[in-house]
Amino acid sequence: GQNIDQPTEMTATEGAIVQINCTYQTSGFNGLFWYQQHAGEAPTFLSYNVLDGLEEKGRFSSFLSRSKGYSYLLLKELQMKDSASYLCAAYAGNNRKLIWGLGTSLAVNP
Amino acid sequence: DGGITQSPKYLFRKEGQNVTLSCEQNLNHDAMYWYRQDPGQGLRLIYYSQIVNDFQKGDIAEGYSVSREKKESFPLTVTSAQKNPTAFYLCASSPGAGGGLGYEQYFGPGTRLTVT
Repeated sequence: GQNIDQPTEMTATEGAIVQINCTYQTSGFNGLFWYQQHAGEAPTFLSYNVLDGLEEKGRFSSFLSRSKGYSYLLLKELQMKDSASYLCAAYAGNNRKLIWGLGTSLAVNP
Repeated sequence: DGGITQSPKYLFRKEGQNVTLSCEQNLNHDAMYWYRQDPGQGLRLIYYSQIVNDFQKGDIAEGYSVSREKKESFPLTVTSAQKNPTAFYLCASSPGAGGGLGYEQYFGPGTRLTVT
C-alpha cells in the first residue's frame, strides 16, 4: 500500500532548531514535498526533494533519503510565526497524485 | 495576479440540500484537485482532474460530484448523500507535467462548509 507517517505534534522554543521527520512507502516514488499550513488557511509550498541530500532555503532545509524512504524538514532560528502544521506529501508518478501525511502540528513557545 | 479563487469563504446549508463550491484558476494549469480537511486531520482527496472533460474519484468520492467543462473551473457539488459534509474544502491545481515538481499543488483559500 501507500503510506506516509509523521509525528502528530511537536513543541519547540523560539530561537531553537526543530526537525520534523517523515517516512513514506509509495510505489513509483518521484519526489517529496513539504507544505506549511497555518490554522484556518490553505497549505503553502515549502520545498521539494527528488534526489538524495539536503536542500536549503533560508531558515528551512529539507532532506531526502530514497533508499530509506525518509525525509525531514529542518527549521532553524524558530519564530513564533512558525507555529503551524507541516505536511509531508509524496509524488507517486504512476498515478499522478500526491499522497499526503496527516501533518505535524508544531507549537513554538517563547 | 495569477492564482486560485474559491468562493464563498464560509457557507451554511440545511441538511438535505445540495451545495456547489466554486473553484477557478488562472494559472493555466491542467490538473485540479478537491480535498476535504476535518479538524486536526490531513488532506483527503475527493476528486481530481488531469485534463478538461476528464476526472477521477479520489479516496472519499461518495456523496460528491464534479465537472470539468473548462480548464479554469472545477466546481464541487456536495450532495445530500454525503453523510457528514461539514468540513473545510480546499481546491488545488498543478501544471500536471514536467516530472515530480510539475505536481506541486497551489491551493485556493478554502471554503468552510457548515451543514445543520
